[in-house]
Amino acid sequence: EAGVAQSPRYKIIEKRQSVAFWCNPISGHATLYWYQQILGQGPKLLIQFQNNGVVDDSQLPKDRFSAERLKGVDSTLKIQPAKLEDSAVYLCASSLIRGDPNSYEQYFGPGTRLTVT
Amino acid sequence: DAKTTQPTSMDCAEGRAANLPCNHSTISGNEYVYWYRQIHSQGPQYIIHGLKNNETNEMASLIITEDRKSSTLILPHATLRDTAVYYCIVRVFGNEKLTFGTGTRLTIIP
Repeated sequence: EAGVAQSPRYKIIEKRQSVAFWCNPISGHATLYWYQQILGQGPKLLIQFQNNGVVDDSQLPKDRFSAERLKGVDSTLKIQPAKLEDSAVYLCASSLIRGDPNSYEQYFGPGTRLTVT
Repeated sequence: DAKTTQPTSMDCAEGRAANLPCNHSTISGNEYVYWYRQIHSQGPQYIIHGLKNNETNEMASLIITEDRKSSTLILPHATLRDTAVYYCIVRVFGNEKLTFGTGTRLTIIP
């Protein structure tokens, strides 16, 4: 089965510019996540969607970050305007809620490496 | 979610068993132990999870102590491709959220 697709893989922008990342989850996966991973740290959840509704966006800096998941499939994450501290890898993941609610397994894409100069 | 403590880094000789410890002394009865790993320039990959019994799959074995305060991930015959950062995560029953720490950087030595 095809994995989680993300694009672009790399992006370099100047501070105060805007940028958008795209994610296509595994077919049939209702839940989609965006994570931010700063160098040397583990991924940090930014936002979680269930179909096209937001489940958790408590750690999303809403003054500059936005995300949407139209039609409950693909998703985009946008940063506007970017700051130097936004330099990180942005990971998208998806999961399928199986019959056993204790077996959530998230499948991650390769990520987009963002450098803000 | 309960906090986990892992060594920052470990080395293991190729072909030997790699044993990665994790301390989760504040784990509660409704929390599972999950392990993910992240190979360089890739997203994290699920390995295994358990509640209180030992678990084994095609990738690894998970040994959870009887008091559930610690666990060990075992890669039985480590290969160079097992070089990665390994994350031990405690996850609440029914909660999809994953909270990653800084993990253990495992290096397999030829």
